[in-house]
Order: sequence, then C-alpha cells, then structure tokens
Amino acid sequence: GQNIDQPTEMTATEGAIVQINCTYQTSGFNGLFWYQQHAGEAPTFLSYNVLDGLEEKGRFSSFLSRSKGYSYLLLKELQMKDSASYLCAVRDEAGGSYIPTFGRGTSLIVHP
Amino acid sequence: DGGITQSPKYLFRKEGQNVTLSCEQNLNHDAMYWYRQDPGQGLRLIYYSQIVNDFQKGDIAEGYSVSREKKESFPLTVTSAQKNPTAFYLCASKMDPTGNTIYFGEGSWLTVV
Repeated sequence: GQNIDQPTEMTATEGAIVQINCTYQTSGFNGLFWYQQHAGEAPTFLSYNVLDGLEEKGRFSSFLSRSKGYSYLLLKELQMKDSASYLCAVRDEAGGSYIPTFGRGTSLIVHP
Repeated sequence: DGGITQSPKYLFRKEGQNVTLSCEQNLNHDAMYWYRQDPGQGLRLIYYSQIVNDFQKGDIAEGYSVSREKKESFPLTVTSAQKNPTAFYLCASKMDPTGNTIYFGEGSWLTVV
C-alpha cells in the first residue's frame, strides 16, 4: 500500500511564493503527480516527476527526492486564482496497475 | 472535441435506490477509472478497467458496481448497499494503463435525500 502525507491547509499573500510539501511511502514508486483542483471541479494536471530534481513550468515548479520519499510544489508570484486544493499523487507499479494514489490535498488560500 | 463526459452533473437519490452515473470518453483510451471524493478529502479509487470487458475493484468498491461492455463507456452504479453515497464522483481515463497522463471528467455530485 501507499501512505501519502501533505498539509491540510496553507495560506499565503498575493505575489508571494509558497511551497507545498508531500511525503510518501510506497514499495514500487513509478512517478509523482501534482494536480490543482478548484472547488467542485475536476483536478487539472500540473506536473509529473519520475527522476530526482526540479521540474520548472512557468510559475509552478515541482521537486522530487526518491531517496527521501519527498516532493514539493513551488508556486511563485501567487495570484488570487491560485486559491485551490493541490493534490499530490503517487503511482505504484505494483501488480502492473500503474494507478496513482492521491493524498488528501492541501487547500491553499491566497489573500490580498 | 475529445474528452470525458459525465452525466448527470447533479443527482439525488432516495435511500434504498440504485442510481447509475454515466461516463463516456471519445479519446480511444483503454483504461478508465472511477474515484470518489468527500469534502476536504483526496480521491479514493472505486473501480478501474484496463481494457474492455475487464474491470477490477479499487480501495472502496463495496456498494458499487461497474461494467465495461464498450471501450468508450464505463458506467458506475451506486447500489443501496452503499450506506454513505453522498459525494463527488470523478471518472477518468488514460491512453493505456502505463500511461502518465490521466484525464478527468467534470464530475457528478450525488446526494442522498
């Protein structure tokens, strides 16, 4: 099985930088995803990491350390529209299913 | 446009009733999934199908049933055995089981009245 842990809620100021952490335990790691989800809507894909290091995509960056079972999502130049839930998901290759397991999500509140 | 269509968007169920949520995709994807999301929670896997005419139980399959008679369709039935069905239900698909990118439908809200 898998165990994924991320903070329940974070707050930040418009224009600032925020880092959302995710730790995980899995037996057959095969990639880590970050999704953004606005209330009542479907999750949208943000990033995918399978190798150690930092992946940068515009204002969003995602980091992975497989040896530490750790990832973070970095959001720069925060905007009000970034207020959403951010889901960390880990894919396990056990049994050939390659199905991502989602964490509980981190609710980010951006205030003026 | 290609995508995943879920219907209905909102559904009310009386206690003791079975209801079916529709999920249709025109992406020609082999793998399809059903997730349940409760308020403030992550997504939990109900059932998944990696190929037509085959499906597997996820983490919380009790009280639910599915079928995969056609590649593009993966309906979910919430049976009366599911004692707490009020939740947001998300259907998703991938090109193939090993693919990286999972596509989600817009979701269906089910409420028990």
